[in-house]
Amino acid sequence: NAGVTQTPKFRVLKTGQSMTLLCAQDMNHEYMYWYRQDPGMGLRLIHYSVGEGTTAKGEVPDGYNVSRLKKQNFLLGLESAAPSQTSVYFCASSWGGTGELFFGEGSRLTVL
Amino acid sequence: AQSVTQPDIHITVSEGASLELRCNYSYGATPYLFWYVQSPGQGLQLLLKYFSGDTLVQGIKGFEAEFKRSQSSFNLRKPSVHWSDAAEYFCAVAPNNNDMRFGAGTRLTVKP
Repeated sequence: NAGVTQTPKFRVLKTGQSMTLLCAQDMNHEYMYWYRQDPGMGLRLIHYSVGEGTTAKGEVPDGYNVSRLKKQNFLLGLESAAPSQTSVYFCASSWGGTGELFFGEGSRLTVL
Repeated sequence: AQSVTQPDIHITVSEGASLELRCNYSYGATPYLFWYVQSPGQGLQLLLKYFSGDTLVQGIKGFEAEFKRSQSSFNLRKPSVHWSDAAEYFCAVAPNNNDMRFGAGTRLTVKP
């Protein structure tokens, strides 16, 4: 049982490049989330989805786009990467309403 | 706006000693309250949660937390710390499952 899987785990980009982070969950969860984690700031919600085909903005959505074409997948895109987007990105999923989030192991992104 | 504060950035305790990690929240009503733990290089794992009812909540790994409405606090405790408890601990609040806000985290070091 893989749970929540994120790919890639590490990536280095140059300013202005684009990339997509993939999150896959095999728990049939309705809700999925993307967070970023920065030192001293905890986790901040970027975007989330409450079901297939839906997405919504979180606390820090600027510079990111997301898509949820399939229930099990949630993609996070950076169209034009900036150094301020250097961070560790976590995907999470949940049934919704229970409060327990299941997290992936994180994706470390460095933008030079 | 809702927020959660963890006053202690880093705490060091001796193995076998008791532990208390502090968490205060700011929200109009009583939100759902959570504690998560993050081991190095890993995602977050739920330790315990409070929705309503008994204000003393038991979690995994021998942790407990007490909700105090008058102090807007949800402190995490453990009677006897083990070396394997060394990790980063995050308090989180949520009015619903769509907008969970995390504290900045408290890093726990355990001395032999």
